[in-house]
Amino acid sequence: GQNIDQPTEMTATEGAIVQINCTYQTSGFNGLFWYQQHAGEAPTFLSYNVLDGLEEKGRFSSFLSRSKGYSYLLLKELQMKDSASYLCAVIDSNYQLIWGAGTKLIIKP
Amino acid sequence: GAVVSQHPSRVICKSGTSVKIECRSLDFQATTMFWYRQFPKKSLMLMATSNEGSKATYEQGVEKDKFLINHASLTLSTLTVTSAHPEDSSFYICSAWTGTPTDTQYFGPGTRLTVL
Repeated sequence: GQNIDQPTEMTATEGAIVQINCTYQTSGFNGLFWYQQHAGEAPTFLSYNVLDGLEEKGRFSSFLSRSKGYSYLLLKELQMKDSASYLCAVIDSNYQLIWGAGTKLIIKP
Repeated sequence: GAVVSQHPSRVICKSGTSVKIECRSLDFQATTMFWYRQFPKKSLMLMATSNEGSKATYEQGVEKDKFLINHASLTLSTLTVTSAHPEDSSFYICSAWTGTPTDTQYFGPGTRLTVL
């Protein structure tokens, strides 16, 4: 079956760095997305990776290793507003979106 | 965990025809369902929010007469793309929410629409 794993919850301190991991087993691969979602709101696009490597966008970076079925989202200089759920999603060979359950990130002062 | 299904998963249709996409919450009651459209390599765009038993609320720029949304029960919402054109080709994703603020949205697998 198809599966995406990410931690259920993580806690970090304001100003610190946190890495949220995502591993996937899917039938084919056509890209991986990271989204941020605050409770009760629509998700916000963070990144899209289709090639191996690290992509940096300001405080957020996303890494992909297709051979390992692995990605991570790196958040630097954490701010209280970064408290949210972070969703990992993979597009499989049939262009279906497979969603992870999301990682709830709690930022403490 | 909570499961949301969409049907069909993929549809190809001719220009001018209408296509109906179903979104079902399989093991919970969804007071609210959201419909999104995803553009290639870009973000999800929220199209509309539908609450069971009432009219959907459309986001600015989304034609309500073109994208008909019905949320007739707590487990089913439908999106009908009327008189589809090639520019409507996209990935349509629904999500379901219980309505409880502390509960997350659960996303469906998406429906890939190709209009020839």
